[in-house]
Amino acid sequence: RKEVEQDPGPFNVPEGATVAFNCTYSNSASQSFFWYRQDCRKEPKLLMSVYSSGNEDGRFTAQLNRASQYISLLIRDSKLSDSATYLCVVTNSGGYQKVTFGTGTKLQVIP
Amino acid sequence: GAVVSQHPSRVICKSGTSVKIECRSLDFQATTMFWYRQFPKKSLMLMATSNEGSKATYEQGVEKDKFLINHASLTLSTLTVTSAHPEDSSFYICSAGDDGYTFGSGTRLTVV
Repeated sequence: RKEVEQDPGPFNVPEGATVAFNCTYSNSASQSFFWYRQDCRKEPKLLMSVYSSGNEDGRFTAQLNRASQYISLLIRDSKLSDSATYLCVVTNSGGYQKVTFGTGTKLQVIP
Repeated sequence: GAVVSQHPSRVICKSGTSVKIECRSLDFQATTMFWYRQFPKKSLMLMATSNEGSKATYEQGVEKDKFLINHASLTLSTLTVTSAHPEDSSFYICSAGDDGYTFGSGTRLTVV
């Protein structure tokens, strides 16, 4: 089983739609969780951290389910500019902090 | 917010030569920086963790003699790809920071 797994997509959704991505992780001792956005041929940029209590930033909501070992990202009212690859990132601590990226989920918002 | 600068953004080199990539934290001190590589349509793979003033920690399968890392100051880490071969062509990217990690803009290396 991969350490961090994501559905690669692509998810093709119309403008204004709500879309959700999940990401599962295998290490129950994982400590920190993030969602990154990566545009084509660009560096990843932090979208939001994921806290145990869940967090919301505008149209974006991230949640963590430790029992089932997954995190989710919900995007409401999708915009064309939301088209990108969304990377799930998990950090573990074992002597030194290890950062593991999922393969990303591609989102294409269609006019 | 934290800013990480990476240079060069793009480099083409001949097979057998060495290439140095720089990663700088511009407005904060980074005792730890991370180096990744990314193949097309693939995830970022951690290559090594660069520690200021000490040896880098390499991930399994990454040749430390081929990918030399130097973290001589709190704001600069360098990755040198030695004796580059076409299979080393990839997107190399560094990151630093405590909260979520800020990335440099990446270096696209092409070995011909």
